[in-house]
Formats: sequence, structure tokens, C-alpha cells
Amino acid sequence: QSALTQPASVSGSPGQSITISCTGTSSDVGDYNFVSWYRQFPGKAPKLLIYDVSKRPSGVSDRFSASKSGDTASLTISGLQAEDEADYYCASYTTSSTWVFGGGTKLTVL
Amino acid sequence: EVQLVESGGGVVQPGESLRLSCAAAGFDFSTDGMTWVRQAPGEGLEWVTSISARGSSTDYADSVKGRFTISRDNSENTLYLQMNSLRVDDTALYYCVKFGCGGDCFDYWGQGALVTVSS
Repeated sequence: QSALTQPASVSGSPGQSITISCTGTSSDVGDYNFVSWYRQFPGKAPKLLIYDVSKRPSGVSDRFSASKSGDTASLTISGLQAEDEADYYCASYTTSSTWVFGGGTKLTVL
Repeated sequence: EVQLVESGGGVVQPGESLRLSCAAAGFDFSTDGMTWVRQAPGEGLEWVTSISARGSSTDYADSVKGRFTISRDNSENTLYLQMNSLRVDDTALYYCVKFGCGGDCFDYWGQGALVTVSS
């Protein structure tokens, strides 16, 4: 199972919006709405941001939104803040009854 | 408060075995599927294996199939990962992770147990 494809890095200035893409195949992202997103700060465990493509767990800021079109899912962070600087990962269930993560995207706030 | 505490990590030589444990607290352990996710130094996340709430169903990544075994003891609220025939590329931080969102996401993560395979 190949990793989902994410850009290695994205950047934005405070207050701006950025979008991170997550491209899979018809065997994972394209076939299920079980796409989730995680944020990881250096030296810390990942934290759930989004599940079921676009749902936010309680306590997650509404600055985080997500969607899916075909084999590609996207995470958008609006009103970028310095504290958003972290690594972001997508994940999807697959037709092989396994899970696959994206390679991760490093977000830099300029 | 959900707590997942991994233990059992360490340094081993290629070909050796190691067993990780994950002590769970703060939720009804017997009703949630569990997962191990690993992260090699400086690398991304890799799903390793999952087990259903009762332990009747397991799935494995191809990279560990036949070498790793996931199991659980619901009476002890503990998740295990038996790792045999360890290879250098198994070196990683292993996270114990709880399924949430009706089984659609990984909602709580432990802090990880470091496994180093080196000759």
C-alpha cells in the first residue's frame, strides 16, 4: 500500500488561508469517506483534527475545514496563526481493510 | 481522561524479538478497536496493525505481516504488539492509538515507545 501523496511543505503568512492536498486512489480516498487529518508538533503525538472527510471533533477550531473530490482530499486552515506551524497528515481506510497515511506536510507560518 | 501508556521499547539486534504493551485508561477499553502506528526517526506516520474491540479481527501492513502480532487483554485493559524477526527498518517510535469516530478515525494517541533495531 503506497502512502497518500501530500506536498512536502506549504507556507503562508499570518491571517492567510492555506490548503493541503492529499491524493490517493480509487482504492482508498476515492472509495471511502473515512478520511481524517492529524496535526503533529515536534516531539509530540499526533492529534485528530478532522474525521469522515470534513467533520471536526469537539474542541477543534472552526478555522480548520476539509473536503474531498474524487481521489483527493484537502485540508484548509484559515486565519493562519503562528501556532499552526506543525506537520499535518491525512489518513484513509483502504479496500484492503488497512489504513494508509499521507507522507506529511510541514506547514511554515512566515 | 483517556490515557494510553506504552512500554517495552528498547534496543535490540536484527532478528531479535520485542513485545510492546499499552496500558489504557479513561474509557471502556473493551468496546473500541485499537491500532499501532509507527514513525521512523524524521519520517512520517505508518499504520502498522489494528485489532477489533473483542480481538476477533486483526489486520496488518504488508511490511510487518507474518512477523508482528497484535493482541489485547480486555480484562487488563492492555494492548500488545509482539514483534519478531526485527529488522533495522523497524526502528521507530511506536504509538498506541485508539479508534474513534465509530471506527473511522484515530482519536487518542499515546506518547510512543521507541524501538531501535541495530547491530
